[in-house]
Amino acid sequence: KAGVTQTPRYLIKTRGQQVTLSCSPISGHRSVSWYQQTPGQGLQFLFEYFSETQRNKGNFPGRFSGRQFSNSRSEMNVSTLELGDSALYLCASSFSQPDTQYFGPGTRLTVL
Amino acid sequence: AQSVTQLDSHVSVSEGTPVLLRCNYSSSYSPSLFWYVQHPNKGLQLLLKYTSAATLVKGINGFEAEFKKSETSFHLTKPSAHMSDAAEYFCVVPGGSYIPTFGRGTSLIVHP
Repeated sequence: KAGVTQTPRYLIKTRGQQVTLSCSPISGHRSVSWYQQTPGQGLQFLFEYFSETQRNKGNFPGRFSGRQFSNSRSEMNVSTLELGDSALYLCASSFSQPDTQYFGPGTRLTVL
Repeated sequence: AQSVTQLDSHVSVSEGTPVLLRCNYSSSYSPSLFWYVQHPNKGLQLLLKYTSAATLVKGINGFEAEFKKSETSFHLTKPSAHMSDAAEYFCVVPGGSYIPTFGRGTSLIVHP
């Protein structure tokens, strides 16, 4: 069974731009969660989608948004990028509840 | 509310010697507990999961963890470290809506 895939793996953007990251979960998994990982803050929960609905949301500004499609693939969007948005963005999928999660390799976003 | 404290930010061992990574937790919810490992520039991989079936949990790559309710601990151990074990390790406790709370991580350094 294929694992969680994330595209692109690396991105370089400039301040003020927007970016869209993509995540394809493991086949059959309906829950997709997104995390931001930075050296200073560690792993922080962004949001979780289940059956195309945002089920849970972390404490991030509205510039961070996401969506999930009918095939469970998910995208997250960050608008008006700031230098502090530079991070590794991880996607994780699970069958139903986001407890036992399987992570993708991440997208490394650098904002200049 | 739930919280996780990983007591050491770095642990350094020699190859072939035992590994101990310490985790204390606090949770108002069902005490499921997880350990994940993250190798450099990779996503997180599930090492093992405690779900109250047995207090001693065996995971992949020779790792195991013991749940001790009286001490609110879930320490990760391995009898003999291998160079390939060098990585970041995260202790995780699910909270409300199963959203996981991650510890800050312990960096395991293995010397030849």
